[in-house]
Amino acid sequence: QSALTQPPSASGSPGQSVTISCTGTSGDIGYYNYVSWYQQHPGKAPKLMIYEVSQRPSGVPDRFSGSKSGNTASLTVSGLQAEDEADYYCTSYAGSNNFVFGGGTKLTVL
Amino acid sequence: QLQLQESGPGLVKPSETLSLTCTVSGGSISSSSYYWGWIRQPPGKGLEWIGSIYYSGSAYCNPSLKSRVTIFVDTFKNQFSLKLTSVTAADTALYYCARRDRTTVSIDYWGQGTLVTVSS
Repeated sequence: QSALTQPPSASGSPGQSVTISCTGTSGDIGYYNYVSWYQQHPGKAPKLMIYEVSQRPSGVPDRFSGSKSGNTASLTVSGLQAEDEADYYCTSYAGSNNFVFGGGTKLTVL
Repeated sequence: QLQLQESGPGLVKPSETLSLTCTVSGGSISSSSYYWGWIRQPPGKGLEWIGSIYYSGSAYCNPSLKSRVTIFVDTFKNQFSLKLTSVTAADTALYYCARRDRTTVSIDYWGQGTLVTVSS
């Protein structure tokens, strides 16, 4: 199984919206609605931001949203804030109890 | 509040076996609602799923690591463990233990991570 493809970096100014893509295959993102997104600040463990493509856990601001089209999932951060600057990772179920992560995207708030 | 804590040697010699244990507190590892797993992150790099286990003992591993990985659970101690054999410098990483929800298939709790360095 290959890693999901994410852009290495993304950026935006405070208040703007940024979308991070995550491209997989018809065997993972394209087949299952089990895409999750994690936020990781330096030196910290990842934090779940989105699950099942577009669901937000309790406590995650509604500025974070997820979607999927075909083999590509996307995370959109609206109304960018300084604390959103972090690394973001997507992951998808790939069948047979296997999972695959994306390579991560460093989001910079300008 | 659920907590997961990794423990084990921080330094392992090449060709030897890496052994880590995750102790779960604030909840039961025998819950039918969750899988328990390991994820690693080489310094400055991305996350890699290693494998996961159900309280019954059913384990599933990343195919790329399968020949070297063993994951087992001790429900009496509320712990699960990872063994990775024949390690090389490429196995140097921050190793996280985590809980995965069976329904949402997402990781909702993570340990703080433990750095394992492979070096002679």
